[in-house]
Amino acid sequence: SQTIHQWPATLVQPVGSPLSLECTVEGTSNPNLYWYRQAAGRGLQLLFYSVGIGQISSEVPQNLSASRPQDRQFILSSKKLLLSDSGFYLCAWSVPPDRGWKYGYTFGSGTRLTVV
Amino acid sequence: AQSVSQHNHHVILSEAASLELGCNYSYGGTVNLFWYVQYPGQHLQLLLKYFSGDPLVKGIKGFEAEFIKSKFSFNLRKPSVQWSDTAEYFCAVVPWSGYNKLIFGAGTRLAVHP
Repeated sequence: SQTIHQWPATLVQPVGSPLSLECTVEGTSNPNLYWYRQAAGRGLQLLFYSVGIGQISSEVPQNLSASRPQDRQFILSSKKLLLSDSGFYLCAWSVPPDRGWKYGYTFGSGTRLTVV
Repeated sequence: AQSVSQHNHHVILSEAASLELGCNYSYGGTVNLFWYVQYPGQHLQLLLKYFSGDPLVKGIKGFEAEFIKSKFSFNLRKPSVQWSDTAEYFCAVVPWSGYNKLIFGAGTRLAVHP
């Protein structure tokens, strides 16, 4: 069965420090991968999506970047965190339409990042 | 730009009251539609989804939603809410493309009082 792993679950980082959040998917190949952020009192905002290795699209200009070094690995990074980067970060995957996606998204358990 | 609007940010109901949460989207092509729920301290869970066919979709826990294409709407309903329905509800739309970008509304916080 397909599963998605996301870590760490919580993270407290000082302003100006680097960030690396990792997400891996099991049980499927060539998934579409996504990073979302849920800020307090706001909805979920799509940050990045990827339809293949090395293919990253950014939805919102920001202090973050994403990479997909392997088919089922998606990494969210920052060189220098800002206070405004605090939030709840969710990784998700989906099956592309040409493989008959019918199951929507599967979300990871999320990482709560607090920048202090 | 493609967007999803949820009209009610906070809803307070008493148990047994009926619920309707509005959702409208701005996209003229084929879409797939979803409602997700996030209970306090828990992960996002899929309530229901619409891909094609009958526009009245039934989901888990007695929820249903109706897709009205002419109104670009996908409202969520439940005839009688329970205290355990207290949660945040998110409408989401995927404009049909190879990217499958799930675009969320801002969410509606529902509080059900006993």
